[in-house]
Amino acid sequence: DIQMTQSPSSLSASVGDRVTITCRASQDIRTHLNWYQQKPGKVPKLLIHAASSLQSGVPSRFSGSGSGTEYTLTISTLQPEDFATYYCQQGEGTPWTFGQGTKVDIK
Amino acid sequence: QLQLQESGPGLVKPSETLSLTCTVSGDSISSSSYYWGWIRQPPGKGLEWIGTIYYRGSTYYNPSLKSRVTISVDTSKNHFSLKLSSVTAADTATYYCARRYIAPPNWFDPWGQGTLVTVSS
Repeated sequence: DIQMTQSPSSLSASVGDRVTITCRASQDIRTHLNWYQQKPGKVPKLLIHAASSLQSGVPSRFSGSGSGTEYTLTISTLQPEDFATYYCQQGEGTPWTFGQGTKVDIK
Repeated sequence: QLQLQESGPGLVKPSETLSLTCTVSGDSISSSSYYWGWIRQPPGKGLEWIGTIYYRGSTYYNPSLKSRVTISVDTSKNHFSLKLSSVTAADTATYYCARRYIAPPNWFDPWGQGTLVTVSS
């Protein structure tokens, strides 16, 4: 199985901050990496696919980058509605696996 | 607009079989571009992929659950189903159904609202 490790597991930030979350794969996943946002009690929502392609309707303050085994999700200017847990997911091979999540909360 | 809706019992006894159905509306489950899958999330924990099915019936399961999982599809009803046998408390989770794009990067979107299944006597 391809293991996905996110860092940090949680972070506290203020509105307006720039936030970066890292996701590392246990092997090269060739940018087959997707990011999801999950707000408390809500359904995971696809934000970014293929490492850097923004899903339709997702604000442009979200961006993704990376290659090989290391990927990042960046929120350029944190908004109140961005406080949530973020998960990465590899789409390189089955079983599809997710990172453990990064919880972004209010400082 | 594509929507997925899970249905099934919210309480299952240990050693019994968990059965859920995901009804797809707004599009045909027979689309050639997508698989249909199940993902679960134990309370307060992360996401675990269970398995996926193509409308023609081909399936892929997580090896960690493969011996207990069966996913089936009924194109006439535009729904697909999950059966998980011999459940224990460790299977207590919110179960989501989702559409998976057929090719890399194999993203899941959209997701159903999820249904909490508790395993308890």
